Parts: sequence; C-alpha cells; structure tokens
Amino acid sequence: EAGVAQSPRYKIIEKRQSVAFWCNPISGHATLYWYQQILGQGPKLLIQFQNNGVVDDSQLPKDRFSAERLKGVDSTLKIQPAKLEDSAVYLCASSPQGRDFGYTFGSGTRLTVV
Amino acid sequence: AQSVTQPDIHITVSEGASLELRCNYSYGATPYLFWYVQSPGQGLQLLLKYFSGDTLVQGIKGFEAEFKRSQSSFNLRKPSVHWSDAAEYFCAVFPGGGADGLTFGKGTHLIIQP
Repeated sequence: EAGVAQSPRYKIIEKRQSVAFWCNPISGHATLYWYQQILGQGPKLLIQFQNNGVVDDSQLPKDRFSAERLKGVDSTLKIQPAKLEDSAVYLCASSPQGRDFGYTFGSGTRLTVV
Repeated sequence: AQSVTQPDIHITVSEGASLELRCNYSYGATPYLFWYVQSPGQGLQLLLKYFSGDTLVQGIKGFEAEFKRSQSSFNLRKPSVHWSDAAEYFCAVFPGGGADGLTFGKGTHLIIQP
C-alpha cells in the first residue's frame, strides 16, 4: 500500500510571500488531516476533512491559511501571506472512515520563512 | 484546560537498558491514548493505542504502555532498547467530540548511548 505523499519536502520563502503544500492520501481513505509541527513541539491539528467537507478547522488561522480537498482525494494547504512564525513542518495524515484512529502520516513539508 | 504533558524533554539510555517515557493527561473523562514515534525527516508512526479494557497495551517494536487512571498517566516502556530506537516520542490523546483530531504532547527526545 502506498503511503501518504506530500510535496514539496522543503520550502524556503520570504515573509509575506505565499506558499502551497500538496497532499495525496492513501487511496480510499475518507478522512484527511493537516497538522502543523513547530520545532520542539508536538503536532497541532489545523484542519480535518471528511471526504471533501470540513469537519474541524477551529485551529486554522483563517486570515492567512486556507485548505481545500477537491473531489475528496488530494488536498492543498496554502499560506498567504506567510509570517516568520509559520516556519514549521506541515504534516498530512489520512485515515479510513470510522473512528479507529488508524492514521497514516506523510513525511511532511518543512517550511522556513525568512 | 485539557492537556497532555511529557515531563522529560530529553532522555538518555544505554543500549540494552530498559526505558520508560512518561505521559500525563488532564481530561475530565478517560480519553483515547496513543504513543507515536518520529524518526528524523519522517512522519509519525503509531506505536500503540489504548481505548478501553486491559490497561497494559502491547505495541509494535517491543513497546508497551500502561494506563493508570488514578495517576492520569500512560507511560511507555521497553525492556531493552536498541540503537534504532533513538527518535522523538509523542504521547497523544483524543479528547472526544465530533472531530477526530489528536492533541499531542511536546515530545521526548530519546538518545541511545552505545
């Protein structure tokens, strides 16, 4: 079974620029998550999708962050404009429908804002 | 406030020695509990999870964890560590509610001495 694919692996941008991350979940997984992991901290949930609908985006800074999951498969997370404090690893995870919490995480995208 | 605490930022253990990583949670009811491991540049991998029942849970790679309600703890153990166990370990909880997002602790960095 192929894992959760994320791209790019690394990204360096200047503050106030925009950036987008892409995630391709495991085939058939209905639920998709984006987590932000700042250095020295545990991951923090940004948004959860169930198919192509948003289940929870309470911790997403909506003034600058946006996410979509068209057709209930791939997802993109965008930051516009970026701030220095957005430097982090952005992890995508997916799980089958149902609450067994069988998450599979991708390797993440490391964003550095300078 | 609901929280997950991992008191030890770093732990150093000699190869072959036993290991215990601490995790305490603060929730009104018994949450679902998880331990994840993250190797450098990798996503998170689930080691084990506790939902209910037997309070001693067996996981992958020889890890186990014990849920102690009276101490609000879910400590991770391994009888004999290997150099390949060097990684970051995260305790996480699912606090309940409509979404499935996990709340993670800040992690414990495990260093293995030869």
